[in-house]
Amino acid sequence: QQQVKQSPQSLIVQKGGISIINCAYENTAFDYFPWYQQFPGKGPALLIAIRPDVSEKKEGRFTISFNKSAKQFSLHIMDSQPGDSATYFCAASMGNQFYFGTGTSLTVIP
Amino acid sequence: DAMVIQNPRYQVTQFGKPVTLSCSQTLNHNVMYWYQQKSSQAPKLLFHYYDKDFNNEADTPDNFQSRRPNTSFCFLDIRSPGLGDAAMYLCATSRKTWDNSPLHFGNGTRLTVT
Repeated sequence: QQQVKQSPQSLIVQKGGISIINCAYENTAFDYFPWYQQFPGKGPALLIAIRPDVSEKKEGRFTISFNKSAKQFSLHIMDSQPGDSATYFCAASMGNQFYFGTGTSLTVIP
Repeated sequence: DAMVIQNPRYQVTQFGKPVTLSCSQTLNHNVMYWYQQKSSQAPKLLFHYYDKDFNNEADTPDNFQSRRPNTSFCFLDIRSPGLGDAAMYLCATSRKTWDNSPLHFGNGTRLTVT
């Protein structure tokens, strides 16, 4: 059973555009929602995270939007750059249990 | 810099030949995890340690074992690797379980089974 559903599987965006990746979850016990960025041959690295008592969090060009009632959250990458080309995983956690989405491969074309 | 270090980066083993992957951390985190990641898939949790307490995922094959001799080190033992065990193995740490601390990943060990 997939605890966290992520879409799209792949995304191609022009440089300067907005990249949007969506995730949905079922378990209302989740209390922490991180996003990870992974480059080929590297481990995932924490990008940004949000708690369910906040509807939006922004760090630089990266924004998480969180809709608690819909049990959905999304990552927005503003002014997307070729260096943002990577795989992005959303996750949801409770305690020390982390559940990952299936990943989105983002390609930003110059 | 505090970090999670995995060795080796690449490991080749033969079918059925035991192999050990290692992970060390300088973060002094309580929790250490082992994930298996196959190509284009999400990391899949194999097991984790909270301090010395071992927590195995229900669907982790018996072929996979782990040891954590101290806070800093954790090992993944694959007793009889099969071709299906070829994957990236990721070690991760987190500070503790009740304050929403994130996972910190190492760069992984790419395991090839011949």
